[in-house]
Amino acid sequence: QVQLVESGGGLVKPGGSLRLSCAASGFTFSDYYMSWIRQAPGKGLEWVSYISSSSSYTNYADSVKGRFTISRDNAKNSLYLQMNSLRAEDTAVYYCARAQDDYGSGSLDYWGQGTLVTVSS
Amino acid sequence: SYELTQPPSVSVSPGQTARITCSADALPKQYAYWYQQKPGQAPVLVIYKDSERPSGIPERFSGSSSGTTVTLTISGVQAEDEADYYCQSADSSGTYPHVVFGGGTKLTVL
Repeated sequence: QVQLVESGGGLVKPGGSLRLSCAASGFTFSDYYMSWIRQAPGKGLEWVSYISSSSSYTNYADSVKGRFTISRDNAKNSLYLQMNSLRAEDTAVYYCARAQDDYGSGSLDYWGQGTLVTVSS
Repeated sequence: SYELTQPPSVSVSPGQTARITCSADALPKQYAYWYQQKPGQAPVLVIYKDSERPSGIPERFSGSSSGTTVTLTISGVQAEDEADYYCQSADSSGTYPHVVFGGGTKLTVL
């Protein structure tokens, strides 16, 4: 069965960096676009970024562009999110999710359980 | 910026029909998707491409589209359907499409 397991979350000071990972199993990882979505405490879902199956194409929300970098390692079945220059408003649960179709802006059919990132001094 | 508008809350009695709407100018040109999220859990896809239901999702969940509004309908609502529901679509106004979520609707089963 499809499994997505995020890790790497934690407490970081404003201006700091953090790298999230998402380990995928149960499907051919290299065939799928992947996304990161976040949810601030008590708030709604916010798309962060997606990456194409071969890493040739990435896209970011305006709120994180220039600070966050999405990447993947298909040999390791892993998705990553490098987060730099973190701000208090980046505090959220970060989910990785699989795109159902062969593009990044469509439906997300499997989600991980999320990892909490807290940005605070 | 592109926004998807949902009502903050919908209440319904068990066995009744719940309808949750999602509105945006670009919806006639883009598919909409719906997710259910229960407290402390990850979202679950319940409707894709406006009206398609993933395997494993009960038949009481259905989706429809009319003009600039898409609707998630839950027929014969059960207590277990109480959750937050989010619509999602794409903002293709820029060079590359962005993913957009609605603000979410809390469904309360009375």
